[in-house]
Amino acid sequence: DTEVTQTPKHLVMGMTNKKSLKCEQHMGHRAMYWYKQKAKKPPELMFVYSYEKLSINESVPSRFSPECPNSSLLNLHLHALQPEDSALYLCASSHPTGSYEQYFGPGTRLTVT
Amino acid sequence: KNEVEQSPQNLTAQEGEFITINCSYSVGISALHWLQQHPGGGIVSLFMLSSGKKKHGRLIATINIQEKHSSLHITASHPRDSAVYICAVRNSGNTPLVFGKGTRLSVIA
Repeated sequence: DTEVTQTPKHLVMGMTNKKSLKCEQHMGHRAMYWYKQKAKKPPELMFVYSYEKLSINESVPSRFSPECPNSSLLNLHLHALQPEDSALYLCASSHPTGSYEQYFGPGTRLTVT
Repeated sequence: KNEVEQSPQNLTAQEGEFITINCSYSVGISALHWLQQHPGGGIVSLFMLSSGKKKHGRLIATINIQEKHSSLHITASHPRDSAVYICAVRNSGNTPLVFGKGTRLSVIA
């Protein structure tokens, strides 16, 4: 199984809502990533978890709150977002050592109204 | 920080043509990735290279470490190859990927 799954595929939320994005993999990868991608731009790294601990936070606003409850799951909790946060949110995973090949999920397309 | 440049930015080809997309980077790396993204879709990893050449079906990726340059070739291109192709490099170990801006390929039947 070389798949990273993400739910939901699409999400529309108001600026006062609280929602969560979910990412799951069963490849035994112990590094997991959140990226944000705006239209016609490359992905921008947001967070990296290594062995379920947050190892990189790329100065992301606190309205985005990541969580890694176990080695297979990665969540991104959203609260009080702005319209400019509308984007494709991609999850990825890799082994933390060795080949480092990164597997990406299909993404969640988020629209903030 | 590594700078990753891709060329061309946009490319239109006729079905069956041989396609080359180039990537250059500024600082030594541990690995280079070629990624594919269809419109509105997620990202698929095509290749991870640290030296030499890899082939998968109609896709070939090469890297020249001394020249800090990689190419992605598509033989016998097909409309389903239409996508954005992204080059990304990893400086060392498990440091985050640094992405190029992508090459938007359109293959016309």
